Amino acid sequence: KNQVEQSPQSLIILEGKNCTLQCNYTVSPFSNLRWYKQDTGRGPVSLTIMTFSENTKSNGRYTATLDADTKQSSLHITASQLSDSASYICVVSAVSSASKIIFGSGTRLSIRP
Amino acid sequence: NAGVTQTPKFQVLKTGQSMTLQCAQDMNHEYMSWYRQDPGMGLRLIHYSVGAGITDQGEVPNGYNVSRSTTEDFPLRLLSAAPSQTSVYFCASSPDGDSYNEQFFGPGTRLTVL
Repeated sequence: KNQVEQSPQSLIILEGKNCTLQCNYTVSPFSNLRWYKQDTGRGPVSLTIMTFSENTKSNGRYTATLDADTKQSSLHITASQLSDSASYICVVSAVSSASKIIFGSGTRLSIRP
Repeated sequence: NAGVTQTPKFQVLKTGQSMTLQCAQDMNHEYMSWYRQDPGMGLRLIHYSVGAGITDQGEVPNGYNVSRSTTEDFPLRLLSAAPSQTSVYFCASSPDGDSYNEQFFGPGTRLTVL
C-alpha cells in the first residue's frame, strides 16, 4: 500500500535554532515529492518540489533533500523564526496525475521565543 | 488575483441537513479538487475536475456531490450531513492535472455536524 509517514509528529524548538523534519514513503513508482507549509487556519502552501533526479532543493531558509533509493526525504529549516510555526506536510506522487498524490499527516512545528 | 476563495469559513449543521460549500478561483485553472483534513490524517481527495463539465471521484466520495459548470466554480454538496463529515474542507486548483504543478489551496471551511 502506498504510504507517506512523517516524523516527528510534533516538535518544539527555540527561535534561531535549526531543525530537520523527516518523511519516509513507500509510494511506487515515484514521480515527485513536495513539501507544503500549512499555517494554522490556512490552506497548505508549496515550499519545494523534487523529482527523481533531484536530491536537494532550497527555498530561502528551507532545504529539502531526497534519497530516492531509500525513499526518504527531509526538510531542514535554518535559523528558525517565529513565523516558521506551522504544520509541514510531505506529499508524494506515484504518477504524474494530481488525483493520485498521497499526503503525509504532517509535522507540527512550534518555535518558542 | 484573489486566488482560491471558499465560503463559508465556518458552518454548523444538524444530522440530515444538506448544504453546499462554495469554491471559486480566478487563475483560469483547469484542474480543481476538494479535500478533507481530519486530525492525525493526511488530506484525502473527495472529488476532482479536470475541466468544465468533467468531474470524477477521489478517495472518499461517499456522501458528497460536485459539479463544474464553469472553469471558475467548483461547489461541493453534502446531501445528508452525518457526524462523520465533521472536518475541515479545502478546495484547490492547478493549471492542469499534472502533479508537478503546484495546487493552490483555499483558506478552508470548518464544518461541524451535530
